[in-house]
Amino acid sequence: DTGVSQDPRHKITKRGQNVTFRCDPISEHNRLYWYRQTLGQGPEFLTYFQNEAQLEKSRLLSDRFSAERPKGSFSTLEIQRTEQGDSAMYLCASSLARVANTGELFFGEGSRLTVL
Amino acid sequence: GENVGLHLPTLSVQEGDNSIINCAYSNSASDYFIWYKQESGKGPQFIIDIRSNMDKRQGQRVTVLLNKTVKHLSLQIAATQPGDSAVYFCAVPNNAGNMLTFGGGTRLMVKP
Repeated sequence: DTGVSQDPRHKITKRGQNVTFRCDPISEHNRLYWYRQTLGQGPEFLTYFQNEAQLEKSRLLSDRFSAERPKGSFSTLEIQRTEQGDSAMYLCASSLARVANTGELFFGEGSRLTVL
Repeated sequence: GENVGLHLPTLSVQEGDNSIINCAYSNSASDYFIWYKQESGKGPQFIIDIRSNMDKRQGQRVTVLLNKTVKHLSLQIAATQPGDSAVYFCAVPNNAGNMLTFGGGTRLMVKP
């Protein structure tokens, strides 16, 4: 399977713990996105990388959140000191071109976080 | 920022009927619109897109209509099938053209 893969698919953690999600994009895609989706809502943008550079961050990305893409390939999203409000599906997507040129993002199946 | 919204949270249709899912947007400068489908337990999947120089675009069993005057677009699915059951989102690029803003979604339920 050469699609976007995310790991883990499910994570249950206690409030205050740190969690890390990994995303492996489609190999030739230089653009990578993180979105968060809560139940019954559309995906909300968190951050965007072009190669290894983090070019845009949402106001939703508080200082407890950090994302990296060190070699321009896979990416990690870390949440420190998790709160119950962080419970959501974290979606990763990749693309080869700017969304203004083609709006086709390739999404992974997401990492579902439950904070107890 | 861009604001997109859906008129109905849930749409129930009979198998074989046509479905119409609506979306409103707020930024009159938006010139590119995309529809996504999200099946249960999966990430969103691109369906079809349309640019503002068009008012209609057709794909396989899907048609997107764009009315720039009232800032409204719709996704029409012909001969709806059980496999069409999903949540449908409209999306628009931000001003910088480097990320998408998604609407709230409409859940389409297909009755056999």
